[in-house]
Amino acid sequence: QQQVRQSPQSLTVWEGETAILNCSYEDSTFDYFPWYHQFPGESPALLIAIRPVSNKKEDGRFTIFFNKREKKFSLHIADSQPGDSATYFCAASVYNNNAPRFGAGTKLSVKP
Amino acid sequence: EAAVTQSPRSKVAVTGGKVTLSCHQTNNHDYMYWYRQDTGHGLRLIHYSYVADSTEKGDIPDGYKASRPSQENFSLILELASLSQTAVYFCASSSGQGGAPLFGEGTRLSVL
Repeated sequence: QQQVRQSPQSLTVWEGETAILNCSYEDSTFDYFPWYHQFPGESPALLIAIRPVSNKKEDGRFTIFFNKREKKFSLHIADSQPGDSATYFCAASVYNNNAPRFGAGTKLSVKP
Repeated sequence: EAAVTQSPRSKVAVTGGKVTLSCHQTNNHDYMYWYRQDTGHGLRLIHYSYVADSTEKGDIPDGYKASRPSQENFSLILELASLSQTAVYFCASSSGQGGAPLFGEGTRLSVL
């Protein structure tokens, strides 16, 4: 079964807008939530990650919002740029006992 | 520099043949993983390992074996390759103290 669900499958935003990508999970033991991006022909690369000791993690234009009660987390990309166009994957794992599970991905297109 | 190296980068195999995909990491990481990527399914966990000489089944282990002869090396073996195993395969490694996996470049496998 899908342990991590991701939506939407694809998303198109205009340059300068905020893109919002969503994920949810089932296993309440998960306590580490990384986001990766992947450009065509390349391997996934870590973008930003959060442990739920806090509900928010920021890194430049990228912010993770985390809701433990609802088992949901999201990635907000502020001031989206055409260079942000890629496929984004969320993942979940137990911090010191890894084997991360990934969502199916969101293909983001940023139009100039 | 941290690195995960996969070989071969691409392979064409015949149905029923044996295929071995190799992975080597120089990160001194304890954890290693094999994922499969198909369009629409994201990254699915096949096998993983916490320590040399031991492997664990992931979410889709059927038709695959794994071998971890040393901390640095992790192989994925398809004893009887099938058409449905055509995909891109990624190896990754991570430390035992948390941290998101670092991915190799991927191996594109076509089974004909």
